[in-house]
Amino acid sequence: AQSVTQLDSQVPVFEEAPVELRCNYSSSVSVYLFWYVQYPNQGLQLLLKYLSGSTLVKGINGFEAEFNKSQTSFHLRKPSVHISDTAEYFCAVSGGATNKLIFGTGTLLAVQP
Amino acid sequence: DVKVTQSSRYLVKRTGEKVFLECVQDMDHENMFWYRQDPGLGLRLIYFSYDVKMKEKGDIPEGYSVSREKKERFSLILESASTNQTSMYLCASSRTGFSPLHFGNGTRLTVT
Repeated sequence: AQSVTQLDSQVPVFEEAPVELRCNYSSSVSVYLFWYVQYPNQGLQLLLKYLSGSTLVKGINGFEAEFNKSQTSFHLRKPSVHISDTAEYFCAVSGGATNKLIFGTGTLLAVQP
Repeated sequence: DVKVTQSSRYLVKRTGEKVFLECVQDMDHENMFWYRQDPGLGLRLIYFSYDVKMKEKGDIPEGYSVSREKKERFSLILESASTNQTSMYLCASSRTGFSPLHFGNGTRLTVT
């Protein structure tokens, strides 16, 4: 069975500082990995995805993530955050026979001025 | 742009009522999903559908049923609402099995 772990429920950071949101997964098959962002009172929207190929994936709003198969991780990074990046971020994994998308519990990124 | 529309933004129902949550997508997507979102638990899959009249149970189907009579519409039904079903419900659609999901804005359901 697949699972996703986001160890940090909340990450406070000052504006213009770098940030890393951690995501680890477990799976016995090849996986596809996603990061979604949820702004207040909205649904989720796709930030970036890893399907195959280069392990460094670039997404919208200056975010990027690196797929590390040996460490089963897919951490999300941004070199300089803005107030507008304040949102909840969800890591998700799919793969195997069912193609179901399994979500982590989310990390609230709180950017302070 | 793909649009997934959930019919209600906020809903308040009484215990024991039958509740219908409606979701419509406009991009001819094959797959549709219903999730519930609770603080500290993330998103949990209730039901999904890969085709018209087809449905499969997700991780927490108890107390719920679904209907997909037309490709663009996927309804979630709470046969007899209970207070532990108070939650944010998110509908999503995708073109194929590994395509990214497109989400609606959610329905916040309160059962009193």
